Amino acid sequence: GPKVLQIPSHQIIDMGQMVTLNCDPVSNHLYFYWYKQILGQQMEFLVNFYNGKVMEKSKLFKDQFSVERPDGSYFTLKIQPTALEDSAVYFCASSSQGTQDTQYFGPGTRLLVL
Amino acid sequence: GEKVEQHESTLSVREGDSAVINCTYTDTASSYFPWYKQEAGKSLHFVIDIRSNVDRKQSQRLTVLLDKKAKRFSLHITATQPEDSAIYFCAASYNRIFFGDGTQLVVKP
Repeated sequence: GPKVLQIPSHQIIDMGQMVTLNCDPVSNHLYFYWYKQILGQQMEFLVNFYNGKVMEKSKLFKDQFSVERPDGSYFTLKIQPTALEDSAVYFCASSSQGTQDTQYFGPGTRLLVL
Repeated sequence: GEKVEQHESTLSVREGDSAVINCTYTDTASSYFPWYKQEAGKSLHFVIDIRSNVDRKQSQRLTVLLDKKAKRFSLHITATQPEDSAIYFCAASYNRIFFGDGTQLVVKP
């Protein structure tokens, strides 16, 4: 099936540092998403992104978070500065036709903030 | 906002038996209901979905039922196999996806 790639697979950083998580979505998809999952628990929506703009974001998408997809390259999630509670697995997803369409998930980036 | 509840946190069945996972949702605006499977340490893998214009959808051993009046939907897996063992997440969506807490399905040989 369609594949979403995420780089890096793991990241360990010190609290207060900046981190950028990269997502390579399915090539013809136009809608992009980030989710946060702690310790195999519920998958929680962070943000969705379309046509260069944030369409919807949750309360978890703090001011320290930002997303962009410059010039059709990676879809990125930047956290600056990081906090201990940001430790989680971050999943990127993409879909062709918005939130009523199948989302395909990447393998996740495991972020540990020390 | 929407709240999706999965009634079974764990479900254990014998190989060959059927498994049913039940979910409820709260927002009548939700019109798209996907199911995902997550194996240990891995990502979510799309399994099957149903839209609000139908009340039943089948794909091989999987059937999804949707009861819009009761705001309830369920995943039925027949002839279960050990490789069906995973966490299954139901979800409801209108402008964004809301996931349930997941059901750990264990299929014993």
